Amino acid sequence: TQLLEQSPQFLSIQEGENLTVYCNSSSVFSSLQWYRQEPGEGPVLLVTVVTGGEVKKLKRLTFQFGDARKDSSLHITAAQPGDTGLYLCAANTGNQFYFGTGTSLTVIP
Amino acid sequence: KAGVTQTPRYLIKTRGQQVTLSCSPISGHRSVSWYQQTPGQGLQFLFEYFSETQRNKGNFPGRFSGRQFSNSRSEMNVSTLELGDSALYLCASSSPIPGTPKQYFGPGTRLTVT
Repeated sequence: TQLLEQSPQFLSIQEGENLTVYCNSSSVFSSLQWYRQEPGEGPVLLVTVVTGGEVKKLKRLTFQFGDARKDSSLHITAAQPGDTGLYLCAANTGNQFYFGTGTSLTVIP
Repeated sequence: KAGVTQTPRYLIKTRGQQVTLSCSPISGHRSVSWYQQTPGQGLQFLFEYFSETQRNKGNFPGRFSGRQFSNSRSEMNVSTLELGDSALYLCASSSPIPGTPKQYFGPGTRLTVT
């Protein structure tokens, strides 16, 4: 059983479309992180959300932490081919990081 | 600053052999964590080293081991390789700052066991 479940697992969209990916858990976390991983590379940290209900924006990416701090979402506006990659959420329990199952996004030009 | 480096980038081994992977963290970072990434299981935590001591350990068999040197460089070793050990092995370094640690990942070592 995965601590963090992400959906959808795969997503293929046209350039310019909007999308949302989700990261859900039955556990409460003090913070949650989002990473993007491109082929042949390691994951790169995009954002850390800490407060329940918090919303953070990074250009066309909007991250939200659920009020109960059990879930998070990532919304991309007007997706571009450069957004293609594997999006991972991760939570730190104090002893280690747990990563979600990942959402593989392909943006078609 | 130079990023996290891992060597080798690609490795092919035969079942039963052992392998050693190397990770050099960002200068000044004293924590190094290792992860295994597979299509089926995703990213799974192996262990973390801090100041040459294993601080945390994931749920992997004893065939997986690691160590950290005084310059914070780390190695992980897998003995008696199995086909299921084929994976991308990632290391991440972080610095001790307040709050949730920021991990910086290397490009990984792609291990194929035949």
